[in-house]
Amino acid sequence: DAKTTQPNSMESNEEEPVHLPCNHSTISGTDYIHWYRQLPSQGPEYVIHGLTSNVNNRMASLAIAEDRKSSTLILHRATLRDAAVYYCILSPNNNDMRFGAGTRLTVKP
Amino acid sequence: ETGVTQSPTHLIKTRGQQVTLRCSSQSGHNTVSWYQQALGQGPQFIFQYYREEENGRGNFPPRFSGLQFPNYSSELNVNALELDDSALYLCASSPGTGLTGELFFGEGSRLTVL
Repeated sequence: DAKTTQPNSMESNEEEPVHLPCNHSTISGTDYIHWYRQLPSQGPEYVIHGLTSNVNNRMASLAIAEDRKSSTLILHRATLRDAAVYYCILSPNNNDMRFGAGTRLTVKP
Repeated sequence: ETGVTQSPTHLIKTRGQQVTLRCSSQSGHNTVSWYQQALGQGPQFIFQYYREEENGRGNFPPRFSGLQFPNYSSELNVNALELDDSALYLCASSPGTGLTGELFFGEGSRLTVL
């Protein structure tokens, strides 16, 4: 299975952009890049997913490197409610999602 | 449209007992997946049910079993509980299997095994 590497933790200031990196050098051609986040005491929440092209939605943007060996989740203006563990997952579909340890994002007021 | 609901939210069992956890999927969703999340770790895939049949399983022993009902709600059963089974058990639903879109998670059932 293709693996992802994420920093254990990151800090951000409120109302500033946040760039959460994910390395996945062994990604296969059929793997989508999925991002979920988990707020304290809640189940994971879908953020965004993409295959090759950059993607935008109301929550975030996903920037995918041209060789697909890395990607970056961008939160355009961090709020205190964005403090969570962010998971980057590779999978051809959402049947069997292999969550790693994720990145714990702290947002400072 | 109701989201994914799980019950009970918390429960305590002793080693060797059996437990049943329940999940109601989001309206219109026929696929349910179960995950185990130990403290400080990411969720681990247990199995998926699609239209009442098991449709994929992770690296969990047979004492972890499940059911899906005609209304697409689901149960996770764990027999012969061990201390390491203490975890948050998450249910997730989706409108089909093999899709690439959003998985909808419930808030989980926290199981403590003493």
